[in-house]
Amino acid sequence: EEQLVESGGDLVQPGGSLRLSCAASGFTFSNYWMHWVRRAPGKGLVWVARINSDGSTNYADSVKGRFTLSRDNAKNTVHLQMHSLTVEDTAVYYCARDEDDQEYYYGMDVWGPGTTVTVS
Amino acid sequence: IVMTQSAFSVPVTLGEPASISCRSSQSLLYSNGYTYVDWYLQKPGQPPQLLIYLGSNRASGVPDRFSGSGSGTDFTLKISRVEAEDVGVYYCMEALQTPFIFGPGTKVDIK
Repeated sequence: EEQLVESGGDLVQPGGSLRLSCAASGFTFSNYWMHWVRRAPGKGLVWVARINSDGSTNYADSVKGRFTLSRDNAKNTVHLQMHSLTVEDTAVYYCARDEDDQEYYYGMDVWGPGTTVTVS
Repeated sequence: IVMTQSAFSVPVTLGEPASISCRSSQSLLYSNGYTYVDWYLQKPGQPPQLLIYLGSNRASGVPDRFSGSGSGTDFTLKISRVEAEDVGVYYCMEALQTPFIFGPGTKVDIK
């Protein structure tokens, strides 16, 4: 079964740091770009960041300079390192995959159940 | 890019059709001829799930009562006959360029 599982969510004080992880299984991890999307309480979905197969990254303006996305293809894992957290970062964080295909796009078709980050 | 959805909430009747509209501030048509808009559904207590990609392609396992249409800047998700399991918040999302932008969401619930 193709699966993503997030971990690392916790309660953290403003200004603190946290590292989220997303473990993949059941598919060839290195063939996929990986995204993080968050949903704050009472709010809608917000795209956070993406890491391509080659490790290049893109970030939402709201997290640029504070969040760093990395991947370990040998361990089928991505990590989202978050610094200088504010109450506005409180959310459920989801990872999702996106197939690396230069000719086509298939959407973010597998999602993890999410991990909760509370900044307070 | 700014994504807007026409309604915050859409009450629907079981067995009846429903549609949700989405608009982008700029064309999502890429030079390869594909339109880079997705539709996602987040059911209560669940992660989002992909319904439609590239504007009109149903994701694997998505019932054929869901369809996506539109071009350029105006898009529609249609449910031919609403079922109870379709309740949740529907989001369009542009995938043309990062940062990807979600619409604000449209909540679908049963009348």
